[in-house]
Amino acid sequence: QKEVEQNSGPLSVPEGAIASLNCTYSDRGSQSFFWYRQYSGKSPELIMFIYSNGDKEDGRFTAQLNKASQYVSLLIRDSQPSDSATYLCAVNIRDYKLSFGAGTTVTVRA
Amino acid sequence: EAGVAQSPRYKIIEKRQSVAFWCNPISGHATLYWYQQILGQGPKLLIQFQNNGVVDDSQLPKDRFSAERLKGVDSTLKIQPAKLEDSAVYLCASSLTGTGMRETQYFGPGTRLLVL
Repeated sequence: QKEVEQNSGPLSVPEGAIASLNCTYSDRGSQSFFWYRQYSGKSPELIMFIYSNGDKEDGRFTAQLNKASQYVSLLIRDSQPSDSATYLCAVNIRDYKLSFGAGTTVTVRA
Repeated sequence: EAGVAQSPRYKIIEKRQSVAFWCNPISGHATLYWYQQILGQGPKLLIQFQNNGVVDDSQLPKDRFSAERLKGVDSTLKIQPAKLEDSAVYLCASSLTGTGMRETQYFGPGTRLLVL
């Protein structure tokens, strides 16, 4: 079983729609969860982090965490072409280390 | 504040040759990470340094990969000899202490390696 799994892509959404990205993790003791955005040929950049169950909103981004289900998601509202990228879910698994999922590629159609 | 710096940005070598990558973390960051990202996959941690000591190198192929962080600042990752499957982007990241569950890691631009 992989430590972090993301829904397979690619995900194509029309401009202005909501993009929904999902991530599950195997270590029930994980406490910190991060979403990184990676444009093609670029390095990952942090866009959201969440530590507590529930929702966390930051602009057009909402992260949702359900520790009982070992599930974390990212919603992108009012999707823009500039949101087209690969989104990496990262989980702090133990000893302060991050384990990354394979990423979900999002394409926003104009 | 300057970000994580890496060089070179691109490198093409033939198999069995050697190659070295350099990383300069954000000033004041105690922890430095080297990741390998193969196309279509997420970054995989190769080695983690806390100051100039190794915290975790469990996924570093030690028969061909080596890394050092002298004086607790800059770091060098070396591959000798390179194999075709080493073709990947090598990402360097740093964080302030490396001992916080909520701590953010900041990534450099990466070095894209192609082994022919």
